[in-house]
Amino acid sequence: DAGVIQSPRHEVTEMGQEVTLRCKPISGHDYLFWYRQTMMRGLELLIYFNNNVPIDDSGMPEDRFSAKMPNASFSTLKIQPSEPRDSAVYFCASSPNGPNTGELFFGEGSRLTVL
Amino acid sequence: GNSVTQMEGPVTLSEEAFLTINCTYTATGYPSLFWYVQYPGEGLQLLLKATKADDKGSNKGFEATYRKETTSFHLEKGSVQVSDSAVYFCALSDRAYNTDKLIFGTGTRLQVFP
Repeated sequence: DAGVIQSPRHEVTEMGQEVTLRCKPISGHDYLFWYRQTMMRGLELLIYFNNNVPIDDSGMPEDRFSAKMPNASFSTLKIQPSEPRDSAVYFCASSPNGPNTGELFFGEGSRLTVL
Repeated sequence: GNSVTQMEGPVTLSEEAFLTINCTYTATGYPSLFWYVQYPGEGLQLLLKATKADDKGSNKGFEATYRKETTSFHLEKGSVQVSDSAVYFCALSDRAYNTDKLIFGTGTRLQVFP
């Protein structure tokens, strides 16, 4: 079975450019999460969706970040404009039963470098 | 708020050594507790979990017991292998304001040498 698929795996861009990260969750999973991982701050939850609806976006750093889930099989995380401090690995995860069960399935991550 | 504290790494061991990675938590209510593992270049994978006090989660030779009295969930393995080298994350579920969250610790890197 295919796992969570993220693209791109690596992205290098210049400050001020728009960045779009993509995620395809596991089919049948009703929950989708976006996490950011950095050495300084560890793993941070940015936002999560249930049945395509954003449930908690309190972790989104600022207005430069936005996330959408137009259908059950696709989500995007957009950063506009990007800044060097946004450099991190961004993980998408999906879950059949929600975060309380702890059964999150992570993608391989998108490593973003903003110069 | 709820939080998880892990021992800082890296933890460096020889093959077949005994492993303990400490994890303590702060929580209101009764969270579920989890250990995740992240191998190099990969996403996190659920390793084991415990949903109530005194439960023991186990998988692939790893164990952790939910200790309410000490608010701990230490990860142990009797004999580590080189293939266990990875970063290990302790996590707890958190319910507040009718939303659920999984809160992760900062991770502990394990390096096992032959």
